[in-house]
Amino acid sequence: TQLLEQSPQFLSIQEGENLTVYCNSSSVFSSLQWYRQEPGEGPVLLVTVVTGGEVKKLKRLTFQFGDARKDSSLHITAAQPGDTGLYLCAGRSPQGGSEKLVFGKGTKLTVNP
Amino acid sequence: KAGVTQTPRYLIKTRGQQVTLSCSPISGHRSVSWYQQTPGQGLQFLFEYFSETQRNKGNFPGRFSGRQFSNSRSEMNVSTLELGDSALYLCASRIAGLNNEQFFGPGTRLTVL
Repeated sequence: TQLLEQSPQFLSIQEGENLTVYCNSSSVFSSLQWYRQEPGEGPVLLVTVVTGGEVKKLKRLTFQFGDARKDSSLHITAAQPGDTGLYLCAGRSPQGGSEKLVFGKGTKLTVNP
Repeated sequence: KAGVTQTPRYLIKTRGQQVTLSCSPISGHRSVSWYQQTPGQGLQFLFEYFSETQRNKGNFPGRFSGRQFSNSRSEMNVSTLELGDSALYLCASRIAGLNNEQFFGPGTRLTVL
């Protein structure tokens, strides 16, 4: 069974601070996705990283895929209250001709004004 | 373009009952996946349907079943409800190919008493 471990599980910071969320696994994934989920809504895709060592930036968010494609990180610079939400990583891996998406349990981020 | 819609949004049932949840994908999307989200286990894949056929299945008991209609709308059914089935059930749709982004609906919050 492939598992994705996210850390920290909870994070509460002040507006303007920087933070990093980690997503680790012992398994190799063909790609890794990051989602943000707000209360009462479904997850929304933020980014997909595919190549080992890949770095993608989305405004104040920086996503990195590990060289071995087993781990990833999300760094937020100068966090804002609007960044509050549950951040989920999800790894894609082919299985027997089809494919499954394995999710981590998420990091619940609260940014206080 | 309308997003993924799920009905009902909230549902309360008692142990032993059965429940049917509905998902209408984005117009033109032929793949529908279902997930169960709980605080303890996170987001777990239930099954995926494509063109009325189950294409992939997670590790859930046979009490969980689904189907897809010719218009791509999907339903999932849970029979003989247990307390542990209380969760947010999310539906996600995508155009077709596994490389396409999937879009989540807001979910159905099921409470089993």
